[in-house]
Amino acid sequence: NAGVTQTPKFQVLKTGQSMTLQCAQDMNHEYMSWYRQDPGMGLRLIHYSVGAGITDQGEVPNGYNVSRSTTEDFPLRLLSAAPSQTSVYFCASSYSEGIGGELFFGEGSRLTVL
Amino acid sequence: AQTVTQSQPEMSVQEAETVTLSCTYDTSENNYYLFWYKQPPSRQMILVIRQEAYKQQNATENRFSVNFQKAAKSFSLKISDSQLGDTAMYFCAFADSNFGNEKLTFGTGTRLTIIP
Repeated sequence: NAGVTQTPKFQVLKTGQSMTLQCAQDMNHEYMSWYRQDPGMGLRLIHYSVGAGITDQGEVPNGYNVSRSTTEDFPLRLLSAAPSQTSVYFCASSYSEGIGGELFFGEGSRLTVL
Repeated sequence: AQTVTQSQPEMSVQEAETVTLSCTYDTSENNYYLFWYKQPPSRQMILVIRQEAYKQQNATENRFSVNFQKAAKSFSLKISDSQLGDTAMYFCAFADSNFGNEKLTFGTGTRLTIIP
């Protein structure tokens, strides 16, 4: 079982460049989310989706775009990378069974912006 | 807004000992879930244990158990007979009925090292 797959695992960007972090899940989960993990700050929610065609902002959405055209995919786009976006990014998915369900995480994508 | 606080940035214990990780949270909701997630050095986060706020009985999963004190808004994780594979970052997380699974609030984490 593939679970949640993120690509790329590592990326170095220059300030101002754009890129897309890919996330795909094969568990037919309705809910998908993107978090960033920074030292001393835990995980913070960037954007989330409760189903195809539906997305919403999390705690730290500025500088990021998302779309959800299919149930399986939830890409995260950095429009104009900034050093403050240097972080480890995690995609997660879960069933739509109300609260309490388990989140399944990808392995993470380490992004460095120079 | 909900907040989750983990006041122990790092802990270390000898193998086979018992260790307790602390977590406190702040919410005005009555219906919510609390979780402990483990992030091993390989980085992929996995669920360790979860607790529903309406259940008075503390959740247990093999060597992992919680001490849920709803009035005190405390949710600690106890690891018994610790093993080298328990070395990881542990995150406490909160989900309430307004947002469900797609919008968890995480603490800052506790880095646990099991010493051989």
